[in-house]
Amino acid sequence: EAQVTQNPRYLITVTGKKLTVTCSQNMNHEYMSWYRQDPGLGLRQIYYSMNVEVTDKGDVPEGYKVSRKEKRNFPLILESPSPNQTSLYFCASSLGRGNSPLHFGNGTRLTVT
Amino acid sequence: QQQVKQSPQSLIVQKGGISIINCAYENTAFDYFPWYQQFPGKGPALLIAIRPDVSEKKEGRFTISFNKSAKQFSLHIMDSQPGDSATYFCAASKLRYGNKLVFGAGTILRVKS
Repeated sequence: EAQVTQNPRYLITVTGKKLTVTCSQNMNHEYMSWYRQDPGLGLRQIYYSMNVEVTDKGDVPEGYKVSRKEKRNFPLILESPSPNQTSLYFCASSLGRGNSPLHFGNGTRLTVT
Repeated sequence: QQQVKQSPQSLIVQKGGISIINCAYENTAFDYFPWYQQFPGKGPALLIAIRPDVSEKKEGRFTISFNKSAKQFSLHIMDSQPGDSATYFCAASKLRYGNKLVFGAGTILRVKS
């Protein structure tokens, strides 16, 4: 089954404790991206990757890191999480063309206390 | 600054009624306008999309109306059903920049049976 898999689904952590949210897709997609979803703000792009070893900042990159060492994986790293990073995070992938549909994972709900 | 403004924030419609969600954009360079549907606990999924060279696109009970001069587009759900209850996001992008979508804030639709 074609899918984007994120782990974990839920994560509660404390301020400053480094964490990684994993994302993997099995559709051989070139494009991958991370979004955060907050009430009243919609989906905001954090980072995206056009291909292996090619990453770029989205609209809200501060406090996040990403890497794309393999085509299928695109982990999101929070080196020193803060409470304002409490949010619902989504990974997405696509073929990368402008009208290619984005395929989203089921989300990771992160709480930073 | 939100590049795509979406309204209403929430909407309650009776079964069989018409649901209408509106979006307005600022950047005249946008040339691709998709709508995504998100069910609770799931990631968004592409519902329907339109290019600005047409004024309307229909897929089943879902129709996008596009007004280029007013820089507005809307989603109409005819004969709304309880199964349509979800969060709807409009989005916009420039096709030549690939999947760099700008999303609206979302509309929570509830269809009462």
